[in-house]
This record gives sequence, structure tokens and C-alpha cells, in this order.
Amino acid sequence: KNQVEQSPQSLIILEGKNCTLQCNYTVSPFSNLRWYKQDTGRGPVSLTIMTFSENTKSNGRYTATLDADTKQSSLHITASQLSDSASYICVVTALSGSARQLTFGSGTQLTVLP
Amino acid sequence: EPEVTQTPSHQVTQMGQEVILRCVPISNHLYFYWYRQILGQKVEFLVSFYNNEISEKSEIFDDQFSVERPDGSNFTLKIRSTKLEDSAMYFCASSATRTDTQYFGPGTRLTVL
Repeated sequence: KNQVEQSPQSLIILEGKNCTLQCNYTVSPFSNLRWYKQDTGRGPVSLTIMTFSENTKSNGRYTATLDADTKQSSLHITASQLSDSASYICVVTALSGSARQLTFGSGTQLTVLP
Repeated sequence: EPEVTQTPSHQVTQMGQEVILRCVPISNHLYFYWYRQILGQKVEFLVSFYNNEISEKSEIFDDQFSVERPDGSNFTLKIRSTKLEDSAMYFCASSATRTDTQYFGPGTRLTVL
């Protein structure tokens, strides 16, 4: 069964600090991995997408890494801002023929304090 | 910037009633999706829709659910006879191609009493 596990479940940091969120997956056959940011009561917004051959990808203050061998990904947030407070969700896509399955992690709830 | 819109933002209904949740995907997108998120739980895939037919569906998407693209802009999710456990946030998403990023709408919070 495809699974995506995220850690930590929740994280509290001070504004300006960096943090790293983790995602481990057992999804096969792997197609891509996305990190989404979900504000409370809102739909998820895509931050990054990584395919099998990509090790790192940046989007502003967000940097995602992918190790396809160990099936791990991380999302690093630099110089956090209050607006970064949200749930960060790791989503892994399995693609087999024409069938595509997205498996969502439970998310890491990040709180940035002033 | 174009975005996915959903109506209503909140829907309260009695158990056993039918509800229709509406979505307007991004205009040049061809692939449409419904997801749900029960309070405090992870987002779950329900169904994907392309070329006026369902392309994939999860085990959650049983006979109580149906989707339709009644015109060139709307994409709807119908729940025929709602149950208490259908209470959740329902997200619509769309993408230009099958593998492109999916853009999510703001969601409809469904409460079944």
C-alpha cells in the first residue's frame, strides 16, 4: 500500500529562523513528489514538484530535496516569516500505465511566532 | 492570475439529502479533480475527470457520488443521499495536462446534520 509519512507533526519556530520538514514515502512506481502549503480553511497551493532525476529544487525561500534511493524528501524554509504559518503537505504520485494515484501525507503544521 | 473557484463556501444539509457542490476550473485546463479532507485528517483523492468522463476514482467514490461537467465552465460533485460521515471540506482542482500541477480551489465545507 502506498504511504507518505511526514515529520514532525507540528513545529513551532521564531520568525527569521530556518526549519526543515521531512517526508518519507513508500510509493511505487514513483512519478513525482510535490510539496504543498495549505493555509487553514484553504486549498493546498503547490510549492515545488520534483521528478525522479531531480535532487533539489528551490522556489524563493523554499528548497526541496529528493533522495529517490532512500525515498526521502525534505522541505527547507529559510528566514521564516509569520505568513509561513500553515500546514505543509508532501504528495507523491504513482504512475502505472494510464493510472495515476496521488498519496497525501498528513502534513506538518508549522507555526511561526514573532 | 486565474484561479479555481468553488461555491458555496459552506453547505449545511440534513442526512439523506442530496447536495451539489460546484466548481469553476481554470479556463484552459482539461483535467478536473475532487478531493475531500475530513477535519483533522489528510486530503483524500475522490475522482478525476477528463474528456467528459471519469478517468480515475478512489474507493471512497461510491455510487452515492457522481460528477458532471454540465456546461463549458462548471464541474460539479453530487452526493445523492448524504451521510454524517460525508461532513468534510471538499476541494476541486484542475490541471492543464494529466501530469501538470493541480491548482486547488478554496474548498466547500459540507456539514451533514
